[in-house]
Amino acid sequence: DAGITQSPRHKVTETGTPVTLRCHQTENHRYMYWYRQDPGHGLRLIHYSYGVKDTDKGEVSDGYSVSRSKTEDFLLTLESATSSQTSVYFCAITPSGRDYNEQFFGPGTRLTVL
Amino acid sequence: GENVEQHPSTLSVQEGDSAVIKCTYSDSASNYFPWYKQELGKGPQLIIDIRSNVGEKKDQRIAVTLNKTAKHFSLHITETQPEDSAVYFCAATVTYNQGGKLIFGQGTELSVKP
Repeated sequence: DAGITQSPRHKVTETGTPVTLRCHQTENHRYMYWYRQDPGHGLRLIHYSYGVKDTDKGEVSDGYSVSRSKTEDFLLTLESATSSQTSVYFCAITPSGRDYNEQFFGPGTRLTVL
Repeated sequence: GENVEQHPSTLSVQEGDSAVIKCTYSDSASNYFPWYKQELGKGPQLIIDIRSNVGEKKDQRIAVTLNKTAKHFSLHITETQPEDSAVYFCAATVTYNQGGKLIFGQGTELSVKP
């Protein structure tokens, strides 16, 4: 899983509660990404980071925020979870020295919003 | 923006036969085309990729071809084995100022029957 750990791996929460997912890497990779995977949609980019405190939006960023206060952690926050955010969330990284198009994925977090 | 269409959505072959999965993309500026294999409960794994300056690339039993004029690319798996059974995703990337944005196809579920 590209040296990425994601936590938690599974979470069930209720509508309206805040949720934070964590992506952790130990290789000082500059680029980190958050995707969601839903049936029939493949994977869709939520947000990405190109350095500490440097982030930008992807194609489905509404309802999500991110933070990267240190190189090794990229946090995805759902401020007020909704049922439409039930999904599997994947973190990805681009290894240092590689073209930033080359992305390697973590094991995923399955989130259920009731 | 970029749009990637992938066909077929499911594919069943006999062990030893070949399998072909096709993708089309819409943005002529796309310049990087990876293929991912995803096994049940795991994150997508990069298996092969091709750049826009190359027409074909092989790696043992898998190969990818790219036709820039027609804006389509294909994954070819020869001598299929049961362990090739998985969901395969194609993607296309347009380079941004500070990163590569992967746009994924909807996925193909490949089943290899012994």
